[in-house]
Amino acid sequence: AQSVAQPEDQVNVAEGNPLTVKCTYSVSGNPYLFWYVQYPNRGLQFLLKYITGDNLVKGSYGFEAEFNKSQTSFHLKKPSALVSDSALYFCAVTGAGSYQLTFGKGTKLSVIP
Amino acid sequence: DAGVIQSPRHEVTEMGQEVTLRCKPISGHDYLFWYRQTMMRGLELLIYFNNNVPIDDSGMPEDRFSAKMPNASFSTLKIQPSEPRDSAVYFCASSGRSYNSPLHFGNGTRLTVT
Repeated sequence: AQSVAQPEDQVNVAEGNPLTVKCTYSVSGNPYLFWYVQYPNRGLQFLLKYITGDNLVKGSYGFEAEFNKSQTSFHLKKPSALVSDSALYFCAVTGAGSYQLTFGKGTKLSVIP
Repeated sequence: DAGVIQSPRHEVTEMGQEVTLRCKPISGHDYLFWYRQTMMRGLELLIYFNNNVPIDDSGMPEDRFSAKMPNASFSTLKIQPSEPRDSAVYFCASSGRSYNSPLHFGNGTRLTVT
């Protein structure tokens, strides 16, 4: 079975500081990894994905994520946080050949002005 | 493109009533997914369709839940009879045919069963 762990329920960061939202995963075979963001009363929005290739993936709104196979991690990062980045962030995984995406519990990011 | 459209946005009903949630996926998307979001369980995949055919409904919690996709532009999720523990936000999402195609979510239906 595949699974995702987001060890932090909440991350607080000051505006302008770098941010990291952590994610580890478990899946058979090669992983397809995704990050989504959810704003209040809205559906999830796709940020970025890792399928293969370069371990550093760049996505929307200045976000990037680093795939680490040995640590089975896919942490989300941004060099300089904005107040508007405050939202709920979900990491998700599926195995190659599967359409069943498994989501983590989510991490609430609060960027403090 | 209008994105994935769900209706209603909010539904309040009494225990025992039938509830029908509706979804219009993005045109041209081959896959449609129904998810349920709660504080306790997070996001759970209930069922997904490929080209209007249900592929995996193992996430449907009970026989009270049923989903249909009569054509490429419409799907329903029905709960009959509804129970208070069904209260949640229900999301519909659609995606293209590639395994790594991102999901496009609707804004959800917040269901409250009293």
